[in-house]
Amino acid sequence: GDSVTQMEGPVTLSEEAFLTINCTYTATGYPSLFWYVQYPGEGLQLLLKATKADDKGSNKGFEATYRKETTSFHLEKGSVQVSDSAVYFCALSRNAGGTSYGKLTFGQGTILTVHP
Amino acid sequence: DGGITQSPKYLFRKEGQNVTLSCEQNLNHDAMYWYRQDPGQGLRLIYYSQIVNDFQKGDIAEGYSVSREKKESFPLTVTSAQKNPTAFYLCASSPGGGSNQPQHFGDGTRLSIL
Repeated sequence: GDSVTQMEGPVTLSEEAFLTINCTYTATGYPSLFWYVQYPGEGLQLLLKATKADDKGSNKGFEATYRKETTSFHLEKGSVQVSDSAVYFCALSRNAGGTSYGKLTFGQGTILTVHP
Repeated sequence: DGGITQSPKYLFRKEGQNVTLSCEQNLNHDAMYWYRQDPGQGLRLIYYSQIVNDFQKGDIAEGYSVSREKKESFPLTVTSAQKNPTAFYLCASSPGGGSNQPQHFGDGTRLSIL
């Protein structure tokens, strides 16, 4: 079945450091890929997405490129801020069995803490 | 503003009791979902609904039930058959119609056992 594997956390960085959170996936066909962010006590917010190979999603300084050859969708940011401290989830969605319900399969989440 | 409203934010259940979590959306989305989140784990799908009066089991449906009588509402009942209900429950919705449609999430309900 489908699966998503994220690098284990927690990740602790100083402000203005470079961030990479690795994400690899297993799925048949051509899934869509997403990064979601969860702040303490809240639900998930979509951070960025990519729907086909070589697409680059970007938002708020974060980027991720859909690499089909390596089945990866790594999240990067050039200079993190304290306000980026949150839990980050990688997820995939594909049509299954002819239905179009967009079921999401999530990774286990990576906790990011950024210190001043 | 359009969005998803979950209530209550905190809920406590006694042994042998059923409790119902509310989820309402005003985004005019066709599809709605319920997820369970446990510490250190990703989200796991409980139930989903693509259209009014229809819903399907997700990966961990045992001990839960849902209804979808209106497009904007998708309540989740945690029954007494669910032996380990303590978790953070998230409701989501999407326009439907394809895998590239992102899901929009509510702020969650935290359920604990008394």
